[in-house]
Amino acid sequence: RKEVEQDPGPFNVPEGATVAFNCTYSNSASQSFFWYRQDCRKEPKLLMSVYSSGNEDGRFTAQLNRASQYISLLIRDSKLSDSATYLCAVNEGGGFKTIFGAGTRLFVKA
Amino acid sequence: GAGVSQTPSNKVTEKGKYVELRCDPISGHTALYWYRQSLGQGPEFLIYFQGTGAADDSGLPNDRFFAVRPEGSVSTLKIQRTERGDSAVYLCASSAPSQQFFGPGTRLTVL
Repeated sequence: RKEVEQDPGPFNVPEGATVAFNCTYSNSASQSFFWYRQDCRKEPKLLMSVYSSGNEDGRFTAQLNRASQYISLLIRDSKLSDSATYLCAVNEGGGFKTIFGAGTRLFVKA
Repeated sequence: GAGVSQTPSNKVTEKGKYVELRCDPISGHTALYWYRQSLGQGPEFLIYFQGTGAADDSGLPNDRFFAVRPEGSVSTLKIQRTERGDSAVYLCASSAPSQQFFGPGTRLTVL
């Protein structure tokens, strides 16, 4: 089993749709969780950190479920500019080693 | 700019050659990471520096790979006897304290 797993997609959604991605992790000692966005042939950029209480930033909501060992990202009112690959990342407990999932591709169409 | 920079942006080499990839982190960032990313995959952790020392090098695939950060700023990833399977984008990131900022990467192609 991979340490961090994501559905690769692609997710094809119309503008204005709500789309959700999940990411599962295997190390129960993991402490920190993140969502990154990566555009084609570009570097990853931090989208959101994921906190135990959940957090929201505009159209984006991230949640953590420690019991089931997954994190989620919800995008509301999708825009064409949201088209990208979304990577989840997990820091292993006690350290700074970051494990990334393979990413979920999102295409938002007009 | 004030972001992470990496040089070269592209490197083409022949199997068996030695390469060095350079990373200039954001000024003041004490933590520095190296990753490699293959097509369709997420970044794969290679090594993490805190200051000058390698705090975690568990991701280095074998002893052909080595990285240094002698003055706690610029880092160099060194790959000996390159193999075709080493072809990937090598990403560097720096952070302080926890958010990682990535450089644009070096695309390494081993022929």
